[in-house]
Amino acid sequence: RKEVEQDPGPFNVPEGATVAFNCTYSNSASQSFFWYRQDCRKEPKLLMSVYSSGNEDGRFTAQLNRASQYISLLIRDSKLSDSATYLCVVIRTTTDSWGKLQFGAGTQVVVTP
Amino acid sequence: DGGITQSPKYLFRKEGQNVTLSCEQNLNHDAMYWYRQDPGQGLRLIYYSQIVNDFQKGDIAEGYSVSREKKESFPLTVTSAQKNPTAFYLCASSITGGPNEQFFGPGTRLTVL
Repeated sequence: RKEVEQDPGPFNVPEGATVAFNCTYSNSASQSFFWYRQDCRKEPKLLMSVYSSGNEDGRFTAQLNRASQYISLLIRDSKLSDSATYLCVVIRTTTDSWGKLQFGAGTQVVVTP
Repeated sequence: DGGITQSPKYLFRKEGQNVTLSCEQNLNHDAMYWYRQDPGQGLRLIYYSQIVNDFQKGDIAEGYSVSREKKESFPLTVTSAQKNPTAFYLCASSITGGPNEQFFGPGTRLTVL
């Protein structure tokens, strides 16, 4: 079983609609959680961190559910420019104290006019 | 303007040749990383370095080598021993090797002919 799993999609979303998707992780020792955005043939860019209390950044809302071991991302009022692949990243601290990132394979979102 | 640079952007190699991918950062980050991304898969860690003159193997180090002689630089050599080297290679850095977000360079797309 992969340590971080995501629905690959694509999620086809009409412009202005809301889309939400989850990412599950298997290691309960995971400490830090992030969503990255990756455009086609480009590098991943940090979208937002995910905090235990949930957090919001404009139209984006991230939630963490430690009991069920998943994080979620919700995009409101989708824009054409939101079309991208969203990577879930989970970090746990190893025995030699470095942060090992585990990446999901990504969820593709396609916003249509 | 702080950031991470990688060169070249595209690289073509004949089978049996070694090639070196450059990664430079001026963010004053201690930790640097090399990942490989294949279509439909999450990023996989090749090597990482928490501090100058020290580096560790990641999950898929076979056929690769690195050096970290300067804080700013972490070059990756893809050797002829790497069986399937065609991929998108991403370099990243973080302020320390702990559970912090990582920032990525623009990547090098390597194709073996």
